[in-house]
Amino acid sequence: DTGVSQDPRHKITKRGQNVTFRCDPISEHNRLYWYRQTLGQGPEFLTYFQNEAQLEKSRLLSDRFSAERPKGSFSTLEIQRTEQGDSAMYLCASSRDSTHTGELFFGEGSRLTVL
Amino acid sequence: AQSVTQPDIHITVSEGASLELRCNYSYGATPYLFWYVQSPGQGLQLLLKYFSGDTLVQGIKGFEAEFKRSQSSFNLRKPSVHWSDAAEYFCAVAGANNLFFGTGTRLTVIP
Repeated sequence: DTGVSQDPRHKITKRGQNVTFRCDPISEHNRLYWYRQTLGQGPEFLTYFQNEAQLEKSRLLSDRFSAERPKGSFSTLEIQRTEQGDSAMYLCASSRDSTHTGELFFGEGSRLTVL
Repeated sequence: AQSVTQPDIHITVSEGASLELRCNYSYGATPYLFWYVQSPGQGLQLLLKYFSGDTLVQGIKGFEAEFKRSQSSFNLRKPSVHWSDAAEYFCAVAGANNLFFGTGTRLTVIP
């Protein structure tokens, strides 16, 4: 068990650029989640996957946000045309399956700074 | 809709003192409740969970929490705090397929 890994750990970009974050979940975990955390707030749910199927995406913040998990293993979160308000920590988590909802293993996060 | 409230933004305790962090939930049915800890530079880690049954649940690192339906609370406790417990603590309630987190309580431990 190598844990959930996220890359990059920190990304600084200029407004209007696109950014992509990668998450590698724990290998035997079927579910993968993306959360966003801003300063002084708790994690805010964005989307999740069951294997390669994205089962909930209505909470993605805008149509500039998209996520994929093409082979049911790693996932990417892309933000297009970044805005300063997108500056936040983006957290990935995985869980074994649907019977373990809430028992999430989190990565260390990818911090985005938009200048 | 599910939600949790953590009324204390920041708590300071002395090392060796007892600790109680408050959490109030809003949920129509029996909730699934969780406490997570976030240490600087580390990912959130599950401390303990409540699904059903015994209302006093034990977790890792010597933490426990008590579910009180009458008060809609799920407070986290530790009898003797260690300096390494300094961190941000989040209470969470499970929705259909995700967690709803509170805003967190930052714990400072003084010698």
